[in-house]
Amino acid sequence: KNQVEQSPQSLIILEGKNCTLQCNYTVSPFSNLRWYKQDTGRGPVSLTIMTFSENTKSNGRYTATLDADTKQSSLHITASQLSDSASYICVVSAGVPGGYNKLIFGAGTRLAVHP
Amino acid sequence: GAGVSQTPSNKVTEKGKYVELRCDPISGHTALYWYRQSLGQGPEFLIYFQGTGAADDSGLPNDRFFAVRPEGSVSTLKIQRTERGDSAVYLCASSPQGRETEAFFGQGTRLTVV
Repeated sequence: KNQVEQSPQSLIILEGKNCTLQCNYTVSPFSNLRWYKQDTGRGPVSLTIMTFSENTKSNGRYTATLDADTKQSSLHITASQLSDSASYICVVSAGVPGGYNKLIFGAGTRLAVHP
Repeated sequence: GAGVSQTPSNKVTEKGKYVELRCDPISGHTALYWYRQSLGQGPEFLIYFQGTGAADDSGLPNDRFFAVRPEGSVSTLKIQRTERGDSAVYLCASSPQGRETEAFFGQGTRLTVV
């Protein structure tokens, strides 16, 4: 069964600190891995998309890594800001026939940044 | 607008009633997805449209759920005989054709069945 698991479930950090969120997946066939940020009451917004051959990708203070061998990914947030408080969702795209993205979502990590 | 638009943003209905949720995708996006998100959970896939046709409806939980996209643009998710367990946020996303393309999400419709 295709699954995406994230840890921790929730995290509280102080403003200015760094943090790393983890994602493990069992999805086959693997197409790509995405990290989304979801603010409360809003739809998810894409942060990064990584294919099988990419090990790391950055988007401002967000850096995602991918180890396709161990089927693990991480999202590192540098110098956190209050506006980083949100749920961060790891999403793996299964390479189904037809060329579309069958997105399989993790449950998310709820990050709270405190002043 | 430039993004995916969903209406209504909130819907409260009585158990047993019929509801329709609307999604206006980004213009030109051929792929459209519906997801359902329960509190504290990640979104779960319901159905995918490529153009007008439902290419994958394997996520629809039962035959009370149905979705259409008659002209390949706007989509409507229809729920018959609603149950309290249907309460969730229903998210719509659209993307251009292709596996590596980004999916853009709407803000969701929060459905509450009382």
